Amino acid sequence: NAGVMQNPRHLVRRRGQEARLRCSPMKGHSHVYWYRQLPEEGLKFMVYLQKENIIDESGMPKERFSAEFPKEGPSILRIQQVVRGDSAAYFCASSSRTGSYEQYFGPGTRLTVT
Amino acid sequence: GIQVEQSPPDLILQEGANSTLRCNFSDSVNNLQWFHQNPWGQLINLFYIPSGTKQNGRLSATTVATERYSLLYISSSQTTDSGVYFCAVPRGSARQLTFGSGTQLTVLP
Repeated sequence: NAGVMQNPRHLVRRRGQEARLRCSPMKGHSHVYWYRQLPEEGLKFMVYLQKENIIDESGMPKERFSAEFPKEGPSILRIQQVVRGDSAAYFCASSSRTGSYEQYFGPGTRLTVT
Repeated sequence: GIQVEQSPPDLILQEGANSTLRCNFSDSVNNLQWFHQNPWGQLINLFYIPSGTKQNGRLSATTVATERYSLLYISSSQTTDSGVYFCAVPRGSARQLTFGSGTQLTVLP
């Protein structure tokens, strides 16, 4: 029973490039959440999605960041024109549509902007 | 928004010692989770505990929702328990989690 999968695990981008982070939720889960952990800080909520819908993006920076969860395929967090301040660990979590709201986290993607 | 405070911020223990970590939250919640972030950065689910007490091996947790706090107990600590322990609660009726700032635990051999 595979858990939440994220790829790549490590991503290096130069300033100005685009970063694409992928997340496949646990089997049977239809709710996906993205969180960001800046160096030496806790985790901050970014965006909450269901299939083909953004439910809450209140934690997402207004510019350069976008997220989607298409009907088929993984959820994608896209960061355009990356800057050094985007260097962080990006975690994806998923939960079931019904029953417990418990969230399960993937291993994270460590983004380094040079 | 909801505030989540964890204490102590840092804790150093000798192997075999017991410890209690605390999580206070500013509003009523219907969900609370404890996580362990190991030295490799992975977030491990420890407990989903909206109320009451749960135990899993050497770890146990208690949430007193009416008094807005939760406790995580670690008994007979081992070096592999080292890492950061986070508690997290949802915002109101929403699902997305607000995390505390964590307790950095170091267990010395």
